[in-house]
Amino acid sequence: NAGVTQTPKFRVLKTGQSMTLLCAQDMNHEYMYWYRQDPGMGLRLIHYSVGEGTTAKGEVPDGYNVSRLKKQNFLLGLESAAPSQTSVYFCASSYSFGNIQYFGAGTRLSVL
Amino acid sequence: EDQVTQSPEALRLQEGESSSLNCSYTVSGLRGLFWYRQDPGKGPEFLFTLYSAGEEKEKERLKATLTKKESFLHITAPKPEDSATYLCAVQARINFNKFYFGSGTKLNVKP
Repeated sequence: NAGVTQTPKFRVLKTGQSMTLLCAQDMNHEYMYWYRQDPGMGLRLIHYSVGEGTTAKGEVPDGYNVSRLKKQNFLLGLESAAPSQTSVYFCASSYSFGNIQYFGAGTRLSVL
Repeated sequence: EDQVTQSPEALRLQEGESSSLNCSYTVSGLRGLFWYRQDPGKGPEFLFTLYSAGEEKEKERLKATLTKKESFLHITAPKPEDSATYLCAVQARINFNKFYFGSGTKLNVKP
């Protein structure tokens, strides 16, 4: 049972570079989420999706874009990375809102 | 403003020493309160969901309770393997697409 898989696990970027984080889930969940976790702060929702082809903004969406072309995949993009985007990024999925969220192991991103 | 505050930030216990973690919240109508456990280098793992004041849930040495303003995670006779960061999250009834997470309580249980 893979659950929620995030790639890559670690990444170092230079300011201004772009990258895409991939999240894949094999539980046939409709809802998927991207969070960031910073020291001393709780998980903050960046973007979420309520189904294939849909996306919506969360609490801290600026500087990020997402796409949900396939039900099992949710991509998070950084078009022009900034040091303030240094963080640990978590993807999660759930059957519906209010249901249990299953999290991936995270992507540790450093922007120099 | 919807927010979640967890206390203490860190807690050190001896094995067998029971204690409680607190999660205080202000939200415009609570839809659900969630407890998660997070081990170093891993994503959060679901523990409990509570929906209404007075509700209680138990799992092994953990018991979660809920009032109208806060939730407690009681740990009875903890073991070293209970060491982790415990996260609390609330879902509002109105903006139910938003989850608000606390910053967590880092629990360290010494043998």
